[in-house]
Amino acid sequence: GAGVSQSPSNKVTEKGKDVELRCDPISGHTALYWYRQSLGQGLEFLIYFQGNSAPDKSGLPSDRFSAERTGGSVSTLTIQRTQQEDSAVYLCASSAGQRGTDTQYFGPGTRLTVL
Amino acid sequence: GDSVTQMEGPVTLSEEAFLTINCTYTATGYPSLFWYVQYPGEGLQLLLKATKADDKGSNKGFEATYRKETTSFHLEKGSVQVSDSAVYFCALKDWTGAGSYQLTFGKGTKLSVIP
Repeated sequence: GAGVSQSPSNKVTEKGKDVELRCDPISGHTALYWYRQSLGQGLEFLIYFQGNSAPDKSGLPSDRFSAERTGGSVSTLTIQRTQQEDSAVYLCASSAGQRGTDTQYFGPGTRLTVL
Repeated sequence: GDSVTQMEGPVTLSEEAFLTINCTYTATGYPSLFWYVQYPGEGLQLLLKATKADDKGSNKGFEATYRKETTSFHLEKGSVQVSDSAVYFCALKDWTGAGSYQLTFGKGTKLSVIP
């Protein structure tokens, strides 16, 4: 079946502009995660959605970052007033449930470059 | 907080050599442990996992055993191939305390296998 998909695959933007990154999880997966992969920081957790529960936003680095998940499926990560330090690969993952043993499956990522 | 430490790379091996990539962790709870692999130009893929002490995860000739007493999850393979060249990430999954299980990753170890 189809895996996690993300769009766009690459995004180049100017400092100060807003960007939106999209994630389509595996069909039927109730849990959705966003991570960021950068050279300096490695892989970092950003935010988690599970069904209709309030999201876990504990990993968001600043209030310029926000995310939503509509209808329990597609998710959008928005970065406002982008800064050069936001340049990274943004990864989305989904899992069938929220148990600690559930495997997270990752999408190919969106490479964001802020000039 | 939780953390994962894995051996720094890059690691260069000849084909058919034995591979060990060390991974140790600290966690507040009782985490599940994972190895993910990222092949050149591709997204993160789950390689293997273990969810409780003394469990052995295995896949594609790779193995890792969950050692609670030494808080370790070392990755091994008896005979590497050129196609194993990739970046390997050790990760744990633990309760965040803010409503979710998140993955905490090591910084990755780049493996290059030469013919």
